[in-house]
Amino acid sequence: AQSVTQLGSHVSVSEGALVLLRCNYSSSVPPYLFWYVQYPNQGLQLLLKYTSAATLVKGINGFEAEFKKSETSFHLTKPSAHMSDAAEYFCAVTLTNFGNEKLTFGTGTRLTIIP
Amino acid sequence: EAGVTQFPSHSVIEKGQTVTLRCDPISGHDNLYWYRRVMGKEIKFLLHFVKESKQDESGMPNNRFLAERTGGTYSTLKVQPAELEDSGVYFCASSQVPGGGQPSGANVLTFGAGSRLTVL
Repeated sequence: AQSVTQLGSHVSVSEGALVLLRCNYSSSVPPYLFWYVQYPNQGLQLLLKYTSAATLVKGINGFEAEFKKSETSFHLTKPSAHMSDAAEYFCAVTLTNFGNEKLTFGTGTRLTIIP
Repeated sequence: EAGVTQFPSHSVIEKGQTVTLRCDPISGHDNLYWYRRVMGKEIKFLLHFVKESKQDESGMPNNRFLAERTGGTYSTLKVQPAELEDSGVYFCASSQVPGGGQPSGANVLTFGAGSRLTVL
């Protein structure tokens, strides 16, 4: 079984400041990890994914995440927030078993950017 | 390439009524998933189709929910009769069956914008 915990349902940062969204996972086997973003009135869009290659994963829009096995974490960061980053962000995990794409999501973090 | 299309975008019904949600996946995507997000909670898996076959329906809440995928193309999710706790956003996602021995778990799902269901 697997689970995901996202600390902080709401995060506010000033424009230009560092964005840090936290995600911790629990998995019985090595996981695949994902960050999705949902902008208003749009579907979930993949930001980045970790699939056991490099532990530092770069995604779209300047976001990146680092897989830390010892901490069971996959935190999402962006060095400088932009107004367009305001959205809801979801961390998700799936197992490395073949034939299994079933995602387990966290509860989401709504990011607000302060001008 | 057209994305995953869902409709209606928003449906408001009264308790006891029936609602049918539709999902059109990306053309050629054999995998189709339904997920649901109840207000303020996590997005939860409902079920998974491969073509027209149900591979995993372990997330379906109860027998008031019926999902179909006739001909392996579009899918419908019917709720009958609807209850208050069914309110939420229903997401559909699709993906290709991976080839070349690539593990499915690394495959990326493409999500639709969701259908918001409000049961009064």
